[in-house]
Amino acid sequence: DAGITQSPRHKVTETGTPVTLRCHQTENHRYMYWYRQDPGHGLRLIHYSYGVKDTDKGEVSDGYSVSRSKTEDFLLTLESATSSQTSVYFCAIRGTPGRNEQFFGPGTRLTVL
Amino acid sequence: GQQLNQSPQSMFIQEGEDVSMNCTSSSIFNTWLWYKQDPGEGPVLLIALYKAGELTSNGRLTAQFGITRKDSFLNISASIPSDVGIYFCAGAVTSGTYKYIFGTGTRLKVLA
Repeated sequence: DAGITQSPRHKVTETGTPVTLRCHQTENHRYMYWYRQDPGHGLRLIHYSYGVKDTDKGEVSDGYSVSRSKTEDFLLTLESATSSQTSVYFCAIRGTPGRNEQFFGPGTRLTVL
Repeated sequence: GQQLNQSPQSMFIQEGEDVSMNCTSSSIFNTWLWYKQDPGEGPVLLIALYKAGELTSNGRLTAQFGITRKDSFLNISASIPSDVGIYFCAGAVTSGTYKYIFGTGTRLKVLA
């Protein structure tokens, strides 16, 4: 399972509150990703990281920020949550260099009321 | 954003039947990946393909990397009830960085 954990696994929050989701990996992978999954849209990339303090935007980055202060943790922050950010969020890592495989965490279900 | 065209979107099949699904893109990929996702869980990697024309199996699953590098196919033989789920394809973009483009998924339902 590539040693990926996500926390929390479920969260309900109110519009306007900040929310931080955590992704933790135990195998020292360089690349980490945050996706959201919504019906009819599949998996869409929010942000990704290619090393400590090295991050870049994906296709749906508005309203989200990320931080990676150490290799094993990649944090996704919703600065001021909106109902449109209700979704399932998946963290992923790129596996063994040269193989281009991507492995996913178990997901966080976020509901913004 | 770019998404891969995956078909069919959903299918009902009888237990024991073979299943085929495919994924097409307007872009060339160096790697094709196939995933299965069960309800409430993250996608699980089934098969990875690295060369045009490559045919790779994982148990009852067989996937092929299209010759044009713009498509890929997944076959499931002798389906069983636990094959139920959503199957996703993904293409890896490896120029400059490593990003992945996903298909919209094929929802498979198996009738016992």
